[in-house]
Amino acid sequence: AQTVTQSQPEMSVQEAETVTLSCTYDTSESDYYLFWYKQPPSRQMILVIRQEAYKQQNATENRFSVNFQKAAKSFSLKISDSQLGDAAMYFCAYISSGTYKYIFGTGTRLKVLA
Amino acid sequence: NAGVTQTPKFRILKIGQSMTLQCTQDMNHNYMYWYRQDPGMGLKLIYYSVGAGITDKGEVPNGYNVSRSTTEDFPLRLELAAPSQTSVYFCASSPQGAFNSPLHFGNGTRLTVT
Repeated sequence: AQTVTQSQPEMSVQEAETVTLSCTYDTSESDYYLFWYKQPPSRQMILVIRQEAYKQQNATENRFSVNFQKAAKSFSLKISDSQLGDAAMYFCAYISSGTYKYIFGTGTRLKVLA
Repeated sequence: NAGVTQTPKFRILKIGQSMTLQCTQDMNHNYMYWYRQDPGMGLKLIYYSVGAGITDKGEVPNGYNVSRSTTEDFPLRLELAAPSQTSVYFCASSPQGAFNSPLHFGNGTRLTVT
């Protein structure tokens, strides 16, 4: 069965610094997508970034980028120049082409220190 | 477009009561999902639907029921509420045939069963 693991329940970063959130997944599929979602205190789920498994190039969205290591089944999120508004829960998610089900990790709470 | 709309935002139930969590989307998405979010547990799939008239169980369906009579609506029914159903519930949708599409989430319903 596919699983998604986020081993860091909580992380802290100083404002303007860089932080990396970890995510690993287990799958035997070759065609799949990975996502990072942000959940601020408002509870809204916001897509941060997504990565296609067949693309070797790491996805980037402004200050957010991923380090996708397909062989290691690792999908970490790097946040550069951290801002107070980045404080939130971050969820890693996976879906393969053979299913309609998105699988989520348990989340990492990011605190940004002024 | 309103996107995915969930009602109510908050609800307190007594043990044994029943209620329906409403979810509607105006994006003509075929795929719809119900998740529950418990602290430290991430998002767990309760039920999902790939189109009107078609529903299927997710990871944690016990104590819940769903129906999908239209493309727009996907209500979640709780029968005989139990304290274990205290959680935050999210409805989400995605377009048909686009497994790589991110989920569009509602703003969640916080349910407390006492």
